[in-house]
Amino acid sequence: AAGVIQSPRHLIKEKRETATLKCYPIPRHDTVYWYQQGPGQDPQFLISFYEKMQSDKGSIPDRFSAQQFSDYHSELNMSSLELGDSALYFCASSRRTSGVTDTQYFGPGTRLTVL
Amino acid sequence: AQTVTQSQPEMSVQEAETVTLSCTYDTSESDYYLFWYKQPPSRQMILVIRQEAYKQQNATENRFSVNFQKAAKSFSLKISDSQLGDAAMYFCAYRSGGRQGGSEKLVFGKGTKLTVNP
Repeated sequence: AAGVIQSPRHLIKEKRETATLKCYPIPRHDTVYWYQQGPGQDPQFLISFYEKMQSDKGSIPDRFSAQQFSDYHSELNMSSLELGDSALYFCASSRRTSGVTDTQYFGPGTRLTVL
Repeated sequence: AQTVTQSQPEMSVQEAETVTLSCTYDTSESDYYLFWYKQPPSRQMILVIRQEAYKQQNATENRFSVNFQKAAKSFSLKISDSQLGDAAMYFCAYRSGGRQGGSEKLVFGKGTKLTVNP
């Protein structure tokens, strides 16, 4: 079965640079979630989109922005990168049926290292 | 806000034995879902099992089963016939049901690292 695709899988950036992470949800999934997992931490919710509209927002820094496109893929844009942004970034997708969102399935993650 | 607590940072089990991982949660909602996700060394987040709060029957997936005690807000995971491939970090997670307009984000516990000894 098709899974969530994330690219790139690994990314190394310098401080103050920008980064763009991409997420391609499972086919027919209309909702995308972004999570950040720091070293030794549990995943923390950043932001979510349903049908290309932001549906919820968590502890996402103002330096980060995200959007969902017409083909349902999503991009997380990160600017003015800081050392503390080094983490594993997960995208998850799900499908909403009768107003209720189904189980979230995770992609393999993008490991971002900020030097 | 909802919180999820996993009181066992680390657990170990002998291969072929049974182990139970604990999870408690706090919520005022009546409509919600609970999950166990497994994160092996590859760091992939893999769904193990899911439980709807309105279902009294405990969920089961092959060697994995849960003990869902709604009144006690407890959601433990039992792994039977443990295998070396079960070694991983296990996260308990909560999600609002959505019908009450709550956030559908996953709220995770801190995780339990499971070691399987041969």
